[in-house]
Amino acid sequence: QLQLQESGPGLVKPSETLSLTCSVSGGSIITKTYCWGWIRQPPGKGLEWIGSICYSGNTYYNPSLKSRLTISLDTSKNHFSLRLYSVTAADTALYYCAGQDYYDRRFDPWGQGTLVTVSS
Amino acid sequence: DIQMTQSPSSLSASIGDRVTITCRASQSISSYLNWYQQKPGKAPKLLIYAASSLQSGVPSRFSGSGSGADYTLTISSLQPEDFASYYCQQSYGPPRTFGQGTKLEIK
Repeated sequence: QLQLQESGPGLVKPSETLSLTCSVSGGSIITKTYCWGWIRQPPGKGLEWIGSICYSGNTYYNPSLKSRLTISLDTSKNHFSLRLYSVTAADTALYYCAGQDYYDRRFDPWGQGTLVTVSS
Repeated sequence: DIQMTQSPSSLSASIGDRVTITCRASQSISSYLNWYQQKPGKAPKLLIYAASSLQSGVPSRFSGSGSGADYTLTISSLQPEDFASYYCQQSYGPPRTFGQGTKLEIK
């Protein structure tokens, strides 16, 4: 059974780079069945899709974040990563990684989430 | 971007009630519509995908319907564990967008 787990710093300073990793177990990230996505949720608010990456290396980014965003795969470690540059307090959120069905693009399963606070 | 509008934003109901949540897209999304349940402190959980397909392991009291731009999630008989927030999400076009959520509370 596929399981995902986020990891990374819980505190990032304004203007610096937020870096998170999602470790995948129970299956390979090199699969035609899944893409891999990041979703975030500011405290007390709704869900926002950040972006996704597929086994081919193709990436799909939310236009609102595209200029500050890189999502990548590391096949040797079976994980994928998020880098968000030049963060501000508005980037404070619970960050989730999720498997994304390649065909209908539903998100399942999800990681448990990791809270990232942007503050000096 | 495709905008997703959920209603109501909050709802009070009793155990055993039938509840319906609606989601309207700003354009037709051809049944590329998914529903998630989120409990406090937990990640969202997929309930329904492709508008009406029940995710494995999800109780049959949950159902989804709709087409074009209009979709509904129905809980046929509310159970205590169903009190949570619910989100719709369109997977028709990027960016993948979510509704603003519906918080289901105990009356």
